[in-house]
Parts: sequence; C-alpha cells; structure tokens
Amino acid sequence: GEDVEQSLFLSVREGDSSVINCTYTDSSSTYLYWYKQEPGAGLQLLTYIFSNMDMKQDQRLTVLLNKKDKHLSLRIADTQTGDSAIYFCAEVSGGYNKLIFGAGTRLAVHP
Amino acid sequence: GAVVSQHPSRVICKSGTSVKIECRSLDFQATTMFWYRQFPKQSLMLMATSNEGSKATYEQGVEKDKFLINHASLTLSTLTVTSAHPEDSSFYICSARELGGQPQHFGDGTRLSIL
Repeated sequence: GEDVEQSLFLSVREGDSSVINCTYTDSSSTYLYWYKQEPGAGLQLLTYIFSNMDMKQDQRLTVLLNKKDKHLSLRIADTQTGDSAIYFCAEVSGGYNKLIFGAGTRLAVHP
Repeated sequence: GAVVSQHPSRVICKSGTSVKIECRSLDFQATTMFWYRQFPKQSLMLMATSNEGSKATYEQGVEKDKFLINHASLTLSTLTVTSAHPEDSSFYICSARELGGQPQHFGDGTRLSIL
C-alpha cells in the first residue's frame, strides 16, 4: 500500500542549510508536497512539485525529486529560528487525490 | 492565496455532547474536502473524503455514524462528532482542494477536548 517515510528529527545551526528527506512508494503519484506545521496550528503549504519535474526552487526552498528512487528532499537555505517546526512530506494517491503523509520531521534551529 | 477557514478553533465540552466543526473555502470552490485527525506528536490520519452533493467516503476503521460529514455546498463541509467521549479528544483538521486540481489547502484545525 501507500507509505511515506521521513526522518523524525533534524537539528541545525542558524544560518546553515537544512535538508529534510522523504521516501514514498506510490510511483503513480502526480504531485508531492511539503507542508509546515507550527505548534497548535494547521498545515501551511510550503511548496509542491509535479512528478515530471526534477527540481523546483522557490526563494530559500529547493525541492529535489528522484522519481527512480522515489526520493524527495526539501532544502532550506539560511535556516532561521522561525523555521523551527514540523515538516510533512505528502504524496497524492487514489481517485480522490487524497494525501498520504509521512510522520513529520521536527526541525530544531539553534543559535 | 487560497484560504480555508475552520471553526471553532477550540472546543471543550462534556462527555455525551455532539460537536459540529465547520470547514469553509473562502475564496475558491471546492468539490472535495478532507477531514483529518491528528494525535499529539503524530502525523495526520485521513478520516474521510467529503464530496459536495454526495455521501462522504470514510477510511477503514472510521465510524460513519460517529463522525457525520455533510458537504452541502461548494464552500462548506461540516464534521459532527456525535455523543463525544474522552477518547474522541484530538486535533481535527480539514483541507479543501480547488476545483479540478491541486494543491490541498488546510484549515487551522480544531482542538477538541471532551471532559
């Protein structure tokens, strides 16, 4: 069945780059997403990539997609304390285009 | 950008009460809305897919009589937790998908606490 996996925790120093990795199983996924969740809040769409793309860059965010390995990554350049949050990777699956989420990666940014 | 409004943001009530949560797409039409449940420090679990004008599709293990979903218009879906008990306490989040496409936009969530 569908499954999305991501590492649970990442700690980086302020100003460094953060790379959050994700693997998925549904090769027919048309879109892959990155969402950000701050404590007690809903999900904020950060970026998404269409399956026929290898890379997408949006300001400090760079998404890389390796469709052969079913691997997705999110790179945050010049990470700031405000980037501390949980980041969810998600793939689109099924006729209703429902989202299958990973467990979330908690990003901690320290001075 | 697309905005999804979810109300209320927080509910505290006694066991046995039914609670209704609203999910509205404010600036776009959504034929499909989704309801998720999130336990502390865990990922989102899809409960059901809500389709305008038809019955919702529930995920395996989700009781349809317990979690009533109504999607009466292209901008509003409601989730009613009937006869809520403490084990129903959770963070409920809705999302809406724009007509004919992606992505899903999420509401801010409703924290439900049943005493």
